Amino acid sequence: DAMVIQNPRYQVTQFGKPVTLSCSQTLNHNVMYWYQQKSSQAPKLLFHYYDKDFNNEADTPDNFQSRRPNTSFCFLDIRSPGLGDAAMYLCATSRGLAGGAYEQFFGPGTRLTVL
Amino acid sequence: KNQVEQSPQSLIILEGKNCTLQCNYTVSPFSNLRWYKQDTGRGPVSLTIMTFSENTKSNGRYTATLDADTKQSSLHITASQLSDSASYICVVSANTNAGKSTFGDGTTLTVKP
Repeated sequence: DAMVIQNPRYQVTQFGKPVTLSCSQTLNHNVMYWYQQKSSQAPKLLFHYYDKDFNNEADTPDNFQSRRPNTSFCFLDIRSPGLGDAAMYLCATSRGLAGGAYEQFFGPGTRLTVL
Repeated sequence: KNQVEQSPQSLIILEGKNCTLQCNYTVSPFSNLRWYKQDTGRGPVSLTIMTFSENTKSNGRYTATLDADTKQSSLHITASQLSDSASYICVVSANTNAGKSTFGDGTTLTVKP
């Protein structure tokens, strides 16, 4: 059974057209993460929520926003996608923060294409 | 600056052979080290998690070792299978309030018949 679900799996948008990616989890984990992964590179953390507490990485562009309306769902909003935002977007969850050696469970990712 | 370096960048082996992937890190203070397997176009899947006091951990044909003194880890794959073809990512987390994780760039393993 899927534990971290991402929708859609593939998203095509036009340059500058807002897009929202969705993540849901059945694990009831406290922490949800959004990563951006470009080809042949390591995932790059954009932000994470610990419960409702939002933590933005210092180098995450303002173009990227996130919402977590409840424990199960988390959304990534890209307000004005540029060509450089084309990437795989990974959602992950964990019971606690990484410093506590909690396992992270990743979703299958959403592949974003910007035309 | 916290860094995680993996080697080799890529590796090709024949089915049935063993291989070892390396991970060196400078993350401090150290909390834990994780190895992930990422198939092409999929999300990473956790293989092992090791804390400071653990120096070896196995998960089937995967065995990870950790030397916290030299800040090195290795992932040994025994009797490789075609399905082992993937990227293997080493992630090291700091023992701080934020518990920041630093990702390596991964080693791409190709297993050929």
